[in-house]
Amino acid sequence: KNEVEQSPQNLTAQEGEFITINCSYSVGISALHWLQQHPGGGIVSLFMLSSGKKKHGRLIATINIQEKHSSLHITASHPRDSAVYICAAPYSGGGADGLTFGKGTHLIIQP
Amino acid sequence: DGGITQSPKYLFRKEGQNVTLSCEQNLNHDAMYWYRQDPGQGLRLIYYSQIVNDFQKGDIAEGYSVSREKKESFPLTVTSAQKNPTAFYLCASSIGWGLMNTEAFFGQGTRLTVV
Repeated sequence: KNEVEQSPQNLTAQEGEFITINCSYSVGISALHWLQQHPGGGIVSLFMLSSGKKKHGRLIATINIQEKHSSLHITASHPRDSAVYICAAPYSGGGADGLTFGKGTHLIIQP
Repeated sequence: DGGITQSPKYLFRKEGQNVTLSCEQNLNHDAMYWYRQDPGQGLRLIYYSQIVNDFQKGDIAEGYSVSREKKESFPLTVTSAQKNPTAFYLCASSIGWGLMNTEAFFGQGTRLTVV
């Protein structure tokens, strides 16, 4: 099973700030998932990346496979970015393929 | 619009009663999953299904049951044997089996409270 650690657990920032959320995992993987959970509970998949960098609007995700580390960046943060951000690493074994989820980073962007 | 629909959003049940959570998808995905989320913990896999009429236990299957009679539907029953059923439950699907290289799509979740 993959162990997934996220940091920080909680982050409060002012609107406009550059945000970085980190994710480390223990077992080599082929791809890592970044998810966003809204206050109502629904989850949206932001990125699935296996190497390098991906960008979608103001969100940027990077991954270093050798170091087993990924980061999610938010540029020009806005209060609507307030959510829980979760990274998840796949695992395979014991007859099951699935995801191991980090505990999430609770982000609050203040106006 | 394609997506995953979970219902209801909030559910209250008395202790000792079985309760069934609904999950429907119109994405034509083969694989479906049920996860449980507790405060301060990452999501944990309850059951998953690779294809119709087949399903497998995840990491925390005790006290739960599922069925997969149709490709679109993967209901989860929380039985009276589940010792701590109060939690947030999320359903997900993916186009292919396994999430090693496949994007997952999630529903809005059902918050179950047992009193």
